[in-house]
Amino acid sequence: EIVLTQSPDFQSVTPKEKVTITCRASQNIDSKLYWYQQKPDQSPKLLIKYASQSISGVPSRFSGSGSGTDFTLTINSVEAEDAATYYCHQSGGFPLTFGGGTKLEIK
Amino acid sequence: EVQLLESGGDLVQPGGSLRLSCTASGFTLSNYVMTWVRQAPGKGLEWVSSIRSSGVNTFYADSLKGRFTISRDNSKNTLYLQMNSLRVEDTAVYFCAKGLTEGFYYNGADVWGQGTTVSVSS
Repeated sequence: EIVLTQSPDFQSVTPKEKVTITCRASQNIDSKLYWYQQKPDQSPKLLIKYASQSISGVPSRFSGSGSGTDFTLTINSVEAEDAATYYCHQSGGFPLTFGGGTKLEIK
Repeated sequence: EVQLLESGGDLVQPGGSLRLSCTASGFTLSNYVMTWVRQAPGKGLEWVSSIRSSGVNTFYADSLKGRFTISRDNSKNTLYLQMNSLRVEDTAVYFCAKGLTEGFYYNGADVWGQGTTVSVSS
């Protein structure tokens, strides 16, 4: 099983700050890594596909990078509406797995 | 508009069974890998099961130990999850999700349903 380790578990920031969330895979998954945003009582929303490719309709302040085992989600100039939990997810092989999540608080 | 609508969640006693349904609209469900993901109260996302577009290949989380079965009815554009021998730890919101790309391989999920709640308690 490919384990995804996210950090930090929790982050509290002020508006306009830059946020960086990391996801480390226990083995090489090339670019088969996706980032999701989940707000309370909502279903997950796809933010980034294939580690770094943008999704139509997602604000440009969200970006992804990395390949192999180390990945990063960056939110430039965070806004109040970005308060949510963020998950990484891999499709490098079954069983599919998710990271443990990073809860982002906007002060 | 591409949409997924889950149903079938309920309160059930330990050892009981439930069948969840996920009805697709706006796309042909049989062309995509479809997936069930669950989220226990206050916890993170947990992959449950996936079925390839062919319907032949199915995959399950090891923790399910053969209790769950994923299937699809292409004529009804509907995905199912049959859940047997339910345990308290199966309590969760169950989401169905559509594969990002058509075809054989799973490349992430781009559309998710709103979820259906399964509660297992005596």
